[in-house]
Amino acid sequence: DAKTTQPPSMDCAEGRAANLPCNHSTISGNEYVYWYRQIHSQGPQYIIHGLKNNETNEMASLIITEDRKSSTLILPHATLRDTAVYYCIVRVHANNYGQNFVFGPGTRLSVLP
Amino acid sequence: SQTIHQWPATLVQPVGSPLSLECTVEGTSNPNLYWYRQAAGRGLQLLFYSVGIGQISSEVPQNLSASRPQDRQFILSSKKLLLSDSGFYLCAGGGSYGYTFGSGTRLTVV
Repeated sequence: DAKTTQPPSMDCAEGRAANLPCNHSTISGNEYVYWYRQIHSQGPQYIIHGLKNNETNEMASLIITEDRKSSTLILPHATLRDTAVYYCIVRVHANNYGQNFVFGPGTRLSVLP
Repeated sequence: SQTIHQWPATLVQPVGSPLSLECTVEGTSNPNLYWYRQAAGRGLQLLFYSVGIGQISSEVPQNLSASRPQDRQFILSSKKLLLSDSGFYLCAGGGSYGYTFGSGTRLTVV
C-alpha cells in the first residue's frame, strides 16, 4: 500500500471549514483514498473514500487532485465534536477479502470555540 | 450494516495474569476480522487478522494470541500479561467501505 504524509496537527475555528491535506505521491492506479477519524478513546470511524473523482457525503467532502498525488478532506462547518485524529489511507478497494488498513499517525484536528 | 461488539470497555489486570478479550460481529457473515492495539498517543498497530473460522495470521511477534472459534467471534488472549501489553485494543471487521471498529477495550496492566 502507498504511504501517506499528513501534518501532525491543525487547528480550526468552530463553524469554519476544516481542510485536511494528505500527500500520496506513490499511489497506484487501483488504489483508493480512504479517510477515517478517531475521537479520543473511541474506535476509528469511516468518513469517506474515493478513487479519482471528488466525493461528498453527509460528513465531508473529498477532493482528489487530477494526478491523484494528493487529496484534501473538507469538513464544511467544523464543530467541537469534530475534534479528533484524522487518518488518510491509500489502498486497493476494501472488500470482505481485502488487505488490512495501515493507520499512520494521522492529523490531530483541534476545533476551537 | 455491520456492528462490532467488544467488552469490557476497561480492564485492569496484574502482571502475570491471563487475558481474554472477546469480539462479536453482527450484520454480516464470514467477515475478515482484525485485532489492533494502540499505545497511548500512538497509531494503530495490527496484531492479528482472520479470514475465517480457525484461520489466524499474526502480524507481530508478541505475548498475545488470537482465536476464531465461530464465524462471528474473535478472541484475543494471553496466558501471562506483561506491563507492555497495556494499551487500547480494537476489534474491526472488514466491509465494502473499509473497516467497522468496535468501541475498544482499554487494558492497564499493573
